[in-house]
Amino acid sequence: DADVTQTPRNRITKTGKRIMLECSQTKGHDRMYWYRQDPGLGLRLIYYSFDVKDINKGEISDGYSVSRQAQAKFSLSLESAIPNQTALYFCATQGQPNTEAFFGQGTRLTVV
Amino acid sequence: AQSVTQLDSQVPVFEEAPVELRCNYSSSVSVYLFWYVQYPNQGLQLLLKYLSGSTLVESINGFEAEFNKSQTSFHLRKPSVHISDTAEYFCAVSDIVAGSYQLTFGKGTKLSVIP
Repeated sequence: DADVTQTPRNRITKTGKRIMLECSQTKGHDRMYWYRQDPGLGLRLIYYSFDVKDINKGEISDGYSVSRQAQAKFSLSLESAIPNQTALYFCATQGQPNTEAFFGQGTRLTVV
Repeated sequence: AQSVTQLDSQVPVFEEAPVELRCNYSSSVSVYLFWYVQYPNQGLQLLLKYLSGSTLVESINGFEAEFNKSQTSFHLRKPSVHISDTAEYFCAVSDIVAGSYQLTFGKGTKLSVIP
């Protein structure tokens, strides 16, 4: 089983719909991240959390929200999806700042 | 705010030739530096990292990177590339932003190895 699991792996949704992307991990890490990947733009940080009670905005948080339901779960929501949120979304976990971050396989989201 | 600059978006190179992928970062008191690799249709995997100590770090598949504090660079090199090295490579920095460490990535460099 994967250490970091993202669901769904692929999703097509309509403009204006609410959608939630889920991430769960078995690494026991406190630090969790959500990134989006767009061609030529690399990975941009959306939100991150270092604890169940800790939520921080990243570079591009507008239009997104997150929930850290437990140490192992970190969900990303698009309250009202728009086409320019079409992207590949990655969840990552990290034990300490100087250690390897582990990535999920990604969720490919298409907003039509 | 911290930033990571990968100077080349695409690098084509012939098989068995050497390659260098460049990475520069904004300076800070203490940073941790990483290179990740993404093969097609996969997530990112750690290639190597610099935390402290020797400025030259190596991976198990022949890549190496050198931390240069004065030039704020962490370039990735391989003396002889293989077809299987075709992938996208991301430089990343873990640095303090607004009082806590944040992991920031560059825009990526696509390495294409030509037979």
